[in-house]
Amino acid sequence: SAVISQKPSRDICQRGTSLTIQCQVDSQVTMMFWYRQQPGQSLTLIATANQGSEATYESGFVIDKFPISRPNLTFSTLTVSNMSPEDSSIYLCSGKQGGGAEAFFGQGTRLTVV
Amino acid sequence: GESVGLHLPTLSVQEGDNSIINCAYSNSASDYFIWYKQESGKGPQFIIDIRSNMDKRQGQRVTVLLNKTVKHLSLQIAATQPGDSAVYFCAENNRGNTPLVFGKGTRLSVIA
Repeated sequence: SAVISQKPSRDICQRGTSLTIQCQVDSQVTMMFWYRQQPGQSLTLIATANQGSEATYESGFVIDKFPISRPNLTFSTLTVSNMSPEDSSIYLCSGKQGGGAEAFFGQGTRLTVV
Repeated sequence: GESVGLHLPTLSVQEGDNSIINCAYSNSASDYFIWYKQESGKGPQFIIDIRSNMDKRQGQRVTVLLNKTVKHLSLQIAATQPGDSAVYFCAENNRGNTPLVFGKGTRLSVIA
């Protein structure tokens, strides 16, 4: 499967600021997704990053808070805006080659908001 | 939506024993299932998958069983090793261009 490079791997941010997380895939992928993982919990889907158009957000997540870009088939960014301590979590990007295929993941970004 | 904030269930096994991790899935339309292993500080890694037209699939030291009648998956790890200590997630999908949906996860702790 393809390899995803995600950065930063971790960051400590002040409340009220924004952080942009980047994911670069080493080959073109059909689909890219962003997940959040709270400590000790499973992965929750934030949104599907659509190439060349607005992302598709899951219930409870909105574009103003989590703007996403996907300018091409190998790159995507997630911004966590106007951060609060409740945004402290691990954020993961994922790629997938169409339906019925495994998804592969970046190593995650551990975000702490103080 | 978000899971309620509870600790992951933990399975503790002796090194060398077999481990069985269970998962219940929710969508009867799902036709593709995957097990992932997540070590601390890393993203989930693919272990093994199975399609709905099968009820068993074997890999190296791992076997996945699928029971569609009761919507249940299990992952069996033979001769569990300390390196198997991690959190294990099942995920379900269908043939459309949709994201995976993850189960709650189980923490496997191997006792040397």
